[in-house]
Amino acid sequence: GAVVSQHPSRVICKSGTSVKIECRSLDFQATTMFWYRQFPKQSLMLMATSNEGSKATYEQGVEKDKFLINHASLTLSTLTVTSAHPEDSSFYICSARGQGARSQNTEAFFGQGTRLTVV
Amino acid sequence: AQKVTQAQTEISVVEKEDVTLDCVYETRDTTYYLFWYKQPPSGELVFLIRRNSFDEQNEISGRYSWNFQKSTSSFNFTITASQVVDSAVYFCALSRTGANSKLTFGKGITLSVRP
Repeated sequence: GAVVSQHPSRVICKSGTSVKIECRSLDFQATTMFWYRQFPKQSLMLMATSNEGSKATYEQGVEKDKFLINHASLTLSTLTVTSAHPEDSSFYICSARGQGARSQNTEAFFGQGTRLTVV
Repeated sequence: AQKVTQAQTEISVVEKEDVTLDCVYETRDTTYYLFWYKQPPSGELVFLIRRNSFDEQNEISGRYSWNFQKSTSSFNFTITASQVVDSAVYFCALSRTGANSKLTFGKGITLSVRP
């Protein structure tokens, strides 16, 4: 299947700093990328949907000024957690859907996830 | 609104036992996709299967099989002759058929396979 690469896999940051997480589709054009958040032993909750070249659509209750999403190209989307606080500590995972030789537009492939710890 | 219910939260079996993970979904759409993903302790989501609502044929892939019953809105997943490596959290998910449609996940089932 298609490959989605997410980086970094783990990050520890100090409270008040910002953290950027990258999500790349390696062998297909990701027309749409999704960012999910997962607390321990819970399900994945969608934070936002981003389409290449346009503003992200945030789910209800997700602060758009705190979780900045940029989808500037068909292979890269970034999530920046601004002014991080301990309650932002979580597992963040991206997903990409698109078109390409190894991807059908019906598939949803996920990155490896980023475990963020804010101290 | 779309909803996925995985009523089982934790299942523990002994190696070589068969185990079925249940998934019930709700949607008003006439066409949709159903998915199963595996999440091992490392955290990444491993794609297992996607099923189009038009296709009610059951599918078998090695030790894995899926039973899609549109009449009962269920998409159950069976692992035959379970192995320790099958231990993970398994998520069932539902999406619309548009290319930019989000996935709605169930709460997941933690499967533990004991040697």
